[in-house]
Amino acid sequence: DVKVTQSSRYLVKRTGEKVFLECVQDMDHENMFWYRQDPGLGLRLIYFSYDVKMKEKGDIPEGYSVSREKKERFSLILESASTNQTSMYLCASSLGQGASYEQYFGPGTRLTVT
Amino acid sequence: GQQVMQIPQYQHVQEGEDFTTYCNSSTTLSNIQWYKQRPGGHPVFLIQLVKSGEVKKQKRLTFQFGEAKKNSSLHITATQTTDVGTYFCAGDAGNMLTFGGGTRLMVKP
Repeated sequence: DVKVTQSSRYLVKRTGEKVFLECVQDMDHENMFWYRQDPGLGLRLIYFSYDVKMKEKGDIPEGYSVSREKKERFSLILESASTNQTSMYLCASSLGQGASYEQYFGPGTRLTVT
Repeated sequence: GQQVMQIPQYQHVQEGEDFTTYCNSSTTLSNIQWYKQRPGGHPVFLIQLVKSGEVKKQKRLTFQFGEAKKNSSLHITATQTTDVGTYFCAGDAGNMLTFGGGTRLMVKP
């Protein structure tokens, strides 16, 4: 069974803080993704990575950066958290490159920025 | 950019009634995937459709991909309380999936 884990289920940060969200997958998947989920908006892709040290912007990359130093780990960084980044953040991984493979999601991190 | 619209946003049904959610893309898709997210859970992959006009069934769930590969639907026959959750479609028109807004299904026992 593929397992995708995220470092925290709930996180509360102050405006202006630097925030790190960590994601680890244990199935040697090539692709990893970061989404944010907001009511009525579905899942919006922030960044994805198809290989170590590679990253591609998704639909809403502004205010975020990512890091993939090891194949199994993909980090999302909020350089200076703002209240409009309060959201549910979901990490996912998939076996191959491209979007033709099913994605396996982690449990999510609910981030509140005050 | 690519947009994927999903309707309705919410649906209340009585247990035993049927349910359908519709997905429409602004561009032609290579494939479409469907996911289910239970309340408090994370999205879980249900199925992928690739061919024009494709129809796939999983027990009471029927998935269709339109002939033009720009729309899709998920139909649940005789809903049960275990069907509660949000159903998302996700379209592939390039190198990443674009998710619809989801349809939240609520089932009254």
